Amino acid sequence: QVQLVQSGGEVKKPGASVRVSCKASGYIFTDYYMHWVRQAPGQGLEWMGWIKPDNGATSHTQKHQGWITMSRDTSINTVYMELSSLRSDDTAVYYCARESGSRMDVWGQGTTVTVSS
Amino acid sequence: QSALTQPASVSGSPGQSITISCTGTSSDVGRFNLVSWYQQHPDAVPKLMIYDVDKRPSGVSNRFSGSKSGSTASLTISGLQAEDEADYYCYSYAGNPYVFGTGTTVTVL
Repeated sequence: QVQLVQSGGEVKKPGASVRVSCKASGYIFTDYYMHWVRQAPGQGLEWMGWIKPDNGATSHTQKHQGWITMSRDTSINTVYMELSSLRSDDTAVYYCARESGSRMDVWGQGTTVTVSS
Repeated sequence: QSALTQPASVSGSPGQSITISCTGTSSDVGRFNLVSWYQQHPDAVPKLMIYDVDKRPSGVSNRFSGSKSGSTASLTISGLQAEDEADYYCYSYAGNPYVFGTGTTVTVL
């Protein structure tokens, strides 16, 4: 079945970087955009960016300019999101989600990133 | 691009119908018939409930329905059940950036 499996939770200190992975299975990896969405504790969903797995093209919000890097490895059907210069307000659950026709139809289980000194 | 506006909370008794609104602009909700709705139970992953304004994915109860008028989309839950108690988020394609609604907590009284 179609599935997205994310890497495990991370605890980081302020100023550090973190990389979250999302492994896809059950469909043709390069046929669908992959999005990253985060949710801070008690808050709503915040879109961060997308990656096009076939050619690696990316797009993200201006807010995340110079702070988020998205990449993929087509040999293992995996996308990555790296965040640098982490701050305490980056503490959140990070989700990858497959886009199908402008809707996010399959979601990863989420990865909790905690930023604390 | 601002978040789409939803009421913070909506409540209803079992068996009743409730409607959640999602207000955008002529650049997003008003321009494209690409509104989707997501249900999220506490500590759970968001689940797609409605897409393209009024379409239901396979497996989603027909108690959930969607509509749109101008720049406001709506999600209606009929025959409210205890299991419907959750947070609901709308989302509309508008090119970049992608924007979610502010979220609505549904409480079953």
